[in-house]
Amino acid sequence: DIQMTQSPSSLSASVGDRVTISCRTSQSSSSYLNWYQQKPGKAPKLLIYAASTLQSGVPSRFSGSGSRTDFTLTISSLQPEDFATYYCQQTYSTLWTFGQGTKVEIK
Amino acid sequence: QVTLRESGPALVKPTQTLTLTCTFSGFSLTTSGMCVSWIRQPPGKALEWLARIDWDDDKYYSTSLQTRLTISKDTSTNQVVLTMTNMDPVDTATYYCARNYFDASKSYAFDIWGQGTMVTVSS
Repeated sequence: DIQMTQSPSSLSASVGDRVTISCRTSQSSSSYLNWYQQKPGKAPKLLIYAASTLQSGVPSRFSGSGSRTDFTLTISSLQPEDFATYYCQQTYSTLWTFGQGTKVEIK
Repeated sequence: QVTLRESGPALVKPTQTLTLTCTFSGFSLTTSGMCVSWIRQPPGKALEWLARIDWDDDKYYSTSLQTRLTISKDTSTNQVVLTMTNMDPVDTATYYCARNYFDASKSYAFDIWGQGTMVTVSS
């Protein structure tokens, strides 16, 4: 199975900050990498698919980049509603896997 | 409007078999390219993909749990059922079902999720 490593596991940031979250896969995932946002008690929500394509309705302050084994989710200007946990997911292999999550907290 | 809703027991005893049902609307699993997966999340922990069933009845299972899982679909009732045998307290989690398209351009991403159902394993 393809293993996922997200970093950091948590971070503290202020409203307006630029935030970057990294996701590394144990072998190439091409661009089959998705990002989800999850708020407490809620189901995850798709933000980015295919490494860099913004899901419809998602604010443009979210962006994704990367390919093969190294991927990044960037929030250009953190908003109060962005405090949540973020997960990456690879769908390159037949058996899909998620990263461990990155919790974005208020500083 | 596409919706998915999970249902099943809130409490199961160790060694029992868990049966969860995902009832969906707004799409059909007879449509080419449509897929439904099960994902779980233990309290305070990460998401774990469990199993997937495709429109053509292909099935895929997590390597670590494949011996305990069975996924099936009933297209007449728009339901996907997951069974997990030999339940253990470590299987305590919220269980989600989610939809995706078997479409490489969409990276097979889960675009719609159910609200989840919490299952506790305890004697």
